[in-house]
Amino acid sequence: SQQGEEDPQALSIQEGENATMNCSYKTSINNLQWYRQNSGRGLVHLILIRSNEREKHSGRLRVTLDTSKKSSSLLITASRAADTASYFCATGDTGTASKLTFGTGTRLQVTL
Amino acid sequence: ETGVTQSPTHLIKTRGQQVTLRCSSQSGHNTVSWYQQALGQGPQFIFQYYREEENGRGNFPPRFSGLQFPNYSSELNVNALELDDSALYLCASSLGGLAGASGEQYFGPGTRLTVT
Repeated sequence: SQQGEEDPQALSIQEGENATMNCSYKTSINNLQWYRQNSGRGLVHLILIRSNEREKHSGRLRVTLDTSKKSSSLLITASRAADTASYFCATGDTGTASKLTFGTGTRLQVTL
Repeated sequence: ETGVTQSPTHLIKTRGQQVTLRCSSQSGHNTVSWYQQALGQGPQFIFQYYREEENGRGNFPPRFSGLQFPNYSSELNVNALELDDSALYLCASSLGGLAGASGEQYFGPGTRLTVT
């Protein structure tokens, strides 16, 4: 089963604009990660934020984590056409098996 | 490129048949996880192997089984295929341990399985 929901399900913006995606989850986590997937192929790891962190940056990416609300957001600044993809949040389990539980994904379309 | 390879790229099977998918992990990684991704959905965890032992399993029936070899490559076997098994199967490698260090995972390009 999916860990939670991502919002919005689809997002269409113009190049240069910022894109914000939100993720909610249900259980306690070790970490939360964001992945990108192009055209139904393999996933590419973008950023990992641990449960004791609140904000993290990587290039044009900014991730926030609010464990009290069980939610996270991914901000992509100054978007480019190449950012067009599906974006998934995934939570890392606190148990003995390091499995990832994925959300339902946000499809981002960046137009010129 | 993550260094994780999967074969085959595409596969078409008939209901009731058996299939074996293969994954070579990134150099130095001792843990392989398998995920099933149905169309329009997020990946779902099938199971994980650490140093040739199963180290956690998701909500999948026993007809989904796996192996990990001494070189840390892995196989996913599915018996008695059903139409709902049609999906993209992804493997991911990572450096882990029994304590379950949930770090980032490196995904292969996937195998697209179609069951008719």
